[in-house]
Amino acid sequence: SQQGEEDPQALSIQEGENATMNCSYKTSINNLQWYRQNSGRGLVHLILIRSNEREKHSGRLRVTLDTSKKSSSLLITASRAADTASYFCATFNTNAGKSTFGDGTTLTVKP
Amino acid sequence: EAQVTQNPRYLITVTGKKLTVTCSQNMNHEYMSWYRQDPGLGLRQIYYSMNVEVTDKGDVPEGYKVSRKEKRNFPLILESPSPNQTSLYFCASSLQGQGTTIGGYTFGSGTRLTVV
Repeated sequence: SQQGEEDPQALSIQEGENATMNCSYKTSINNLQWYRQNSGRGLVHLILIRSNEREKHSGRLRVTLDTSKKSSSLLITASRAADTASYFCATFNTNAGKSTFGDGTTLTVKP
Repeated sequence: EAQVTQNPRYLITVTGKKLTVTCSQNMNHEYMSWYRQDPGLGLRQIYYSMNVEVTDKGDVPEGYKVSRKEKRNFPLILESPSPNQTSLYFCASSLQGQGTTIGGYTFGSGTRLTVV
């Protein structure tokens, strides 16, 4: 299976609820990033967490990283309909330049 | 406006007819990369470039060529396109490799290529 796998593949919640997406990876990384993609559009960078960090916040986003379990989670609090999109994690390993993206989690936030 | 510009946005071509997808960034980024996105397969890296005249293969380089003669441009060349190269293509750039900048990678809007 591919490095940087997201779980779940699809998530549907009501506006105001929290959304949690998980990402697992296989090899050592330098950093892990989360991206958002609206249908058919380019990816937009959300947040970066380095391998020596455990948690990071940005607005309504909270990212955790557990390098011992090779996993990360993205929490979106108080979700809004505008958060509806696909979310991807991407790992960047010590082989400078190579990156691996997961298949993504499709989030639907119902108003 | 800081951006990565890809052209064309949409392209339909026939098998074997050489084509080039252009990518240009105006942020003076050293690093540029090409990805293809297919349903169920996520984004897969095709080629990347750490700086001018330096290019390396990603995970799926077969059937593609790139060049980096100047910092701002990183064209993707398909010498003899085949139907299995039908996909959505993205170009991305960042200040350094591994996306170790505050902003991570900046992506273009994508090129939807259909090879018939």
